Amino acid sequence: GENVEQHPSTLSVQEGDSAVIKCTYSDSASNYFPWYKQELGKGPQLIIDIRSNVGEKKDQRIAVTLNKTAKHFSLHITETQPEDSAVYFCAAIPTGGGNKLTFGTGTQLKVEL
Amino acid sequence: DSGVTQTPKHLITATGQRVTLRCSPRSGDLSVYWYQQSLDQGLQFLIQYYNGEERAKGNILERFSAQQFPDLHSELNLSSLELGDSALYFCASSPMTGLGEKLFFGSGTQLSVL
Repeated sequence: GENVEQHPSTLSVQEGDSAVIKCTYSDSASNYFPWYKQELGKGPQLIIDIRSNVGEKKDQRIAVTLNKTAKHFSLHITETQPEDSAVYFCAAIPTGGGNKLTFGTGTQLKVEL
Repeated sequence: DSGVTQTPKHLITATGQRVTLRCSPRSGDLSVYWYQQSLDQGLQFLIQYYNGEERAKGNILERFSAQQFPDLHSELNLSSLELGDSALYFCASSPMTGLGEKLFFGSGTQLSVL
């Protein structure tokens, strides 16, 4: 089955700096890669996703890049703000996997003033 | 607010007991998913239902079972509870069951087995 590794487990940045979170996946057949943000006391919320036929996708301050050859994808947050502080999860779905998400272990992002 | 409602928010019980977690999906969503979140295992997919039928199964224990009712709400039943079952249980929903559909998560049920 699919295995998703995520790094770093914790990340602390100054407000206004950029943050990068990286994930690798094992199943070369995976073709959908969403990112979820989980705030304290809440469920995960989708913030951006990318499909395997695209190398990069951007939505305002958030961007995701995908390298299918290396089997890794990354989340980039620019101009970080305190409200970006949360746990971020990457995930992957292999072909034929329906909508069964395999999640990474999460990154606790702290944006300091 | 995701539109997915989970009850109860907190549940404290003893080993060996049985509990039922309830989930109401977003209006119109036909798919319901159950996930378990624990510190050592992260977010693990348990099971998916689509329009009342089981659609996909993950690492769900035999002591656990789920169902989706005609009104599309779902229940996750956990029996013969063990200390290791203590976790946050999330329900999510999506309109259909296609690849890459956006999942909307509820706020979870925190289960503590003492």
